[in-house]
Amino acid sequence: GEDVEQSLFLSVREGDSSVINCTYTDSSSTYLYWYKQEPGAGLQLLTYIFSNMDMKQDQRLTVLLNKKDKHLSLRIADTQTGDSAIYFCAEIDRGSTLGRLYFGRGTQLTVWP
Amino acid sequence: NAGVMQNPRHLVRRRGQEARLRCSPMKGHSHVYWYRQLPEEGLKFMVYLQKENIIDESGMPKERFSAEFPKEGPSILRIQQVVRGDSAAYFCASSPSFSDRGYNEQFFGPGTRLTVL
Repeated sequence: GEDVEQSLFLSVREGDSSVINCTYTDSSSTYLYWYKQEPGAGLQLLTYIFSNMDMKQDQRLTVLLNKKDKHLSLRIADTQTGDSAIYFCAEIDRGSTLGRLYFGRGTQLTVWP
Repeated sequence: NAGVMQNPRHLVRRRGQEARLRCSPMKGHSHVYWYRQLPEEGLKFMVYLQKENIIDESGMPKERFSAEFPKEGPSILRIQQVVRGDSAAYFCASSPSFSDRGYNEQFFGPGTRLTVL
């Protein structure tokens, strides 16, 4: 089955860049997602990337995809204290057309002022 | 356009009781997914439903758990005879029919946090 791995913790200073990494195993994944979860809240979709892309940029967010190594990263530029949250990497197996998401355990990002 | 609604937000049950979790998808969405998040873990898929049909329940425990999405009304996740290990956050997500782009965004509700005493 699908397996998504993430490091559990990341701490950065306000204004620095954050890079959150993720590896996945399903080579048939067509879309990969980054979700943000703030304390006590649901998940908010931050961005996604299609598997035929290498990079996607959206304001302060940059997603890099290395399909050969099955490695996905999320870079947050000029990290702010409001970015403190848990970030989940997820993949979808479109091959099955079922649309279920497979999530990593999440990376707790702490931003120090 | 209201987002995905879940209620209750917090639910406390004693062992052996039943828990009913409700999810109202976004307007116009016909696909509903339930996920469970155990403490300090990622979300695990449980079940995928369309109106009046269970499409995939491979992530749901075979006993005590059931889900439905009737023609009218919210989707219900039902847990019978709850045990302490059922304590978790249960998230519902909804999506529209798959678009021509193939991109299926799931919109998540705020979750129901179930505590079993």
